[in-house]
Amino acid sequence: GAGVSQTPSNKVTEKGKYVELRCDPISGHTALYWYRQSLGQGPEFLIYFQGTGAADDSGLPNDRFFAVRPEGSVSTLKIQRTERGDSAVYLCASSNIAGGSATQYFGPGTRLTVL
Amino acid sequence: DQQVKQNSPSLSVQEGRISILNCDYTNSMFDYFLWYKKYPAEGPTFLISISSIKDKNEDGRFTVFLNKSAKHLSLHIVPSQPGDSAVYFCAASDSGTYKYIFGTGTRLKVLA
Repeated sequence: GAGVSQTPSNKVTEKGKYVELRCDPISGHTALYWYRQSLGQGPEFLIYFQGTGAADDSGLPNDRFFAVRPEGSVSTLKIQRTERGDSAVYLCASSNIAGGSATQYFGPGTRLTVL
Repeated sequence: DQQVKQNSPSLSVQEGRISILNCDYTNSMFDYFLWYKKYPAEGPTFLISISSIKDKNEDGRFTVFLNKSAKHLSLHIVPSQPGDSAVYFCAASDSGTYKYIFGTGTRLKVLA
């Protein structure tokens, strides 16, 4: 079956611009996660959705970052007033149940470059 | 403070030999551990996991060992194949939460 998909695969933007990154989870998966991976690092947790609601957004670095999942499926990560330090690969994952022991399956990521 | 550490940034192994990748953690609340493999320009691919109630889990050529007293886990790949060349991340979580904490990765190169 289809895995997690993310669009766009690459996004180049200028400092100060607004960007939206999209994630389509595996069909039927109720839990959705966003991570960010900087060069030479492992993925770092940003936010977790159970259904439509953000159950934990403690990993979002500041209020320029926001994510939604209005119908409990597709999610959009939104970044306002982008900064060069936001450049990273943004990864989305989904799992069929919530909880730390539910295996998360990752998408290919969106590479964001802020010039 | 890094809760999950992979102290070897890279490892080279001859084809057919065993690859051993190591991971240490500090948080005693972690009770679920995973290994992911990552190729360039792709997302992490789930490889194998282990719950803290076990000390070993095997899946084909891949075996994960967990030593809770030492807060250490390892991934054994036997026999190693050139297609195994990738970056391997270990991850840990507390089953009461949903966040995975990842290590910084080990780049494995299997030489033909």
